[in-house]
Amino acid sequence: QVQLIQSGAEVKKPGASVKVSCKVSGYPLSELSMHWVRQAPGKGLEWMGGFAPEHGEAISAGKFQGRVTMTEDTSTHTAYMEVSSLRSEDTAVYYCVTVRGENYRARYYYYMDVWGTGTAVTVSS
Amino acid sequence: DIQMTQSPSSLSASVGDRVTITCRASQSISSYLNWYQQRPGKAPRLLIYAASTLQSGVPSRFSGSGSGTDFTLTISSLQPEDFATYYCQQSYSTFGGGTKVEIK
Repeated sequence: QVQLIQSGAEVKKPGASVKVSCKVSGYPLSELSMHWVRQAPGKGLEWMGGFAPEHGEAISAGKFQGRVTMTEDTSTHTAYMEVSSLRSEDTAVYYCVTVRGENYRARYYYYMDVWGTGTAVTVSS
Repeated sequence: DIQMTQSPSSLSASVGDRVTITCRASQSISSYLNWYQQRPGKAPRLLIYAASTLQSGVPSRFSGSGSGTDFTLTISSLQPEDFATYYCQQSYSTFGGGTKVEIK
């Protein structure tokens, strides 16, 4: 049973960076496709990026390219997501989430499977 | 990036009602469409993947249909535990804006 435990809440000033961690247990991190999703207060889910299993590389949503860095340390079973140049609009709960693929009718269909505990990031001067 | 548009953004319904939520993609995504349910303060839960395949453990009152650009999530008989927000998602990437289902 995969479990994802995230780091605690953060308060940052505009222009700073934040690095959120996601500790994996129950399955090798190297065999998981890890993604990141955020949710601003009272708003919807926003996909940020992650490892694309069909391409074998990390990808990110256009609006986050150049500002978000996703890394993994398999020795400590931990994934990280760093956001730079923070602004107030980045205030949100950040989730790590595994992506799983199902072979159905000779195609692979991917969906978000196990969600992390969430990390609240507040950006305020 | 492909855009996903859900409608309505919110709706009020009663227990036992049939509820339909639509999701439109800005370009064809074949059947690479997932539906999630999110209750307040909780992480989302997968309901349907591949546009119409019910995830294990999800009640059969939930169903999905569509392909290409237009998709539908239907709840055949709304139950008290179904009052939540629903999101469509293109594969593992872009989410729709969400539909909040409230008690009438």
